[in-house]
Amino acid sequence: EDKVVQSPLSLVVHEGDTVTLNCSYEVTNFRSLLWYKQEKKAPTFLFMLTSSGIEKKSGRLSSILDKKELFSILNITATQTGDSAVYLCAGMNYGGSQGNLIFGKGTKLSVKP
Amino acid sequence: NAGVTQTPKFQVLKTGQSMTLQCAQDMNHNSMYWYRQDPGMGLRLIYYSASEGTTDKGEVPNGYNVSRLNKREFSLRLESAAPSQTSVYFCASSLLPIEQFFGPGTRLTVL
Repeated sequence: EDKVVQSPLSLVVHEGDTVTLNCSYEVTNFRSLLWYKQEKKAPTFLFMLTSSGIEKKSGRLSSILDKKELFSILNITATQTGDSAVYLCAGMNYGGSQGNLIFGKGTKLSVKP
Repeated sequence: NAGVTQTPKFQVLKTGQSMTLQCAQDMNHNSMYWYRQDPGMGLRLIYYSASEGTTDKGEVPNGYNVSRLNKREFSLRLESAAPSQTSVYFCASSLLPIEQFFGPGTRLTVL
């Protein structure tokens, strides 16, 4: 059975700290790994990673995929209170006619002033 | 561009009642999805539609039916609601198998 496991499940840091969120996956016919940020409502897309070892960066956020060890990390440097959210990791497979997403349970990040 | 819209935003049902959750997207996306999100469970796929006229079961389809009315609209129906279906329901769409765009969600409570 396909599964995506995120750790830690929750994390409390102070502004300015750097955090690393982990995601391991076992996905049949794996295609890509996606990261989403969920604040109060809908998840919003952050990154999609398809190739191993290539870092994707957006401002203070970065992510990398290791297809050999089947994991990904999401780094956030110089955290701000606005980074407080649930971060979701999802594995995409080639299932069905389009890629389906298998989500982890999320990491709840709280950034304190 | 409204993106993905969902109606209603909130709904309370009694056990055994039926209702339809509506979803529409204006991005000309081929694929549409319905998820439910429960505390501690992450997002779980209920049904998806790869293109107009096709629908397929996801991880948790029991108790639900869907209709892909046209390319824009994908509805989710609960024929006989049960308390176990209390959840937040998200609709999503995608053009290609890359990122999915999510609607704002419907919070459903079944008493």
